[in-house]
Amino acid sequence: SQTIHQWPATLVQPVGSPLSLECTVEGTSNPNLYWYRQAAGRGLQLLFYSVGIGQISSEVPQNLSASRPQDRQFILSSKKLLLSDSGFYLCAWARQGTNRDSPLHFGNGTRLTVT
Amino acid sequence: AQSVAQPEDQVNVAEGNPLTVKCTYSVSGNPYLFWYVQYPNRGLQFLLKYITGDNLVKGSYGFEAEFNKSQTSFHLKKPSALVSDSALYFCAVRDVAGVYNQGGKLIFGQGTELSVKP
Repeated sequence: SQTIHQWPATLVQPVGSPLSLECTVEGTSNPNLYWYRQAAGRGLQLLFYSVGIGQISSEVPQNLSASRPQDRQFILSSKKLLLSDSGFYLCAWARQGTNRDSPLHFGNGTRLTVT
Repeated sequence: AQSVAQPEDQVNVAEGNPLTVKCTYSVSGNPYLFWYVQYPNRGLQFLLKYITGDNLVKGSYGFEAEFNKSQTSFHLKKPSALVSDSALYFCAVRDVAGVYNQGGKLIFGQGTELSVKP
């Protein structure tokens, strides 16, 4: 079966510090990968998605970047955090090929607080 | 552009009563619709999906959803609510305009907080 891991679960970082959140998927190959941010416990905003190694699409201009150095690894980064980067970050994967009806499968998220 | 709307921020139901969480959608072409549930400080869990076929879709934990094309709705239902159903519920639509070149991303509604009281 497939599993998705995100770490860390919680993170408190000062303004101006760098960020690296990691997500890995097991049990599948060549998945689509996604980073979402959830602010104030409600709406989800798609930040980045990737359909393959080194292929990153950004949905909104922001202080963050993403990378996919390996097939099942997705990293969210920032060089200098802003207060507005605080939120709940969710990684997700979906199967390619039949992705019309493939649901997204989410990790347990990272709660980031920028102080 | 594809979009979904969840008109209720919160739904309150007594345990044992039926529940409905509403969702309406706007798509160009055929809709691909999903429901998710989120418990506090956790990721989203997939409940069910509508792609084509029967308008009543059955999913996990006794939930079902009714697709209505004329009303562009996809309401989540359960015949008898449990206290443990209390959570945040999200409706989502697949951005099918970009299925083949934009990673099949999902667009989510703002969520509905379901509260089931004993």
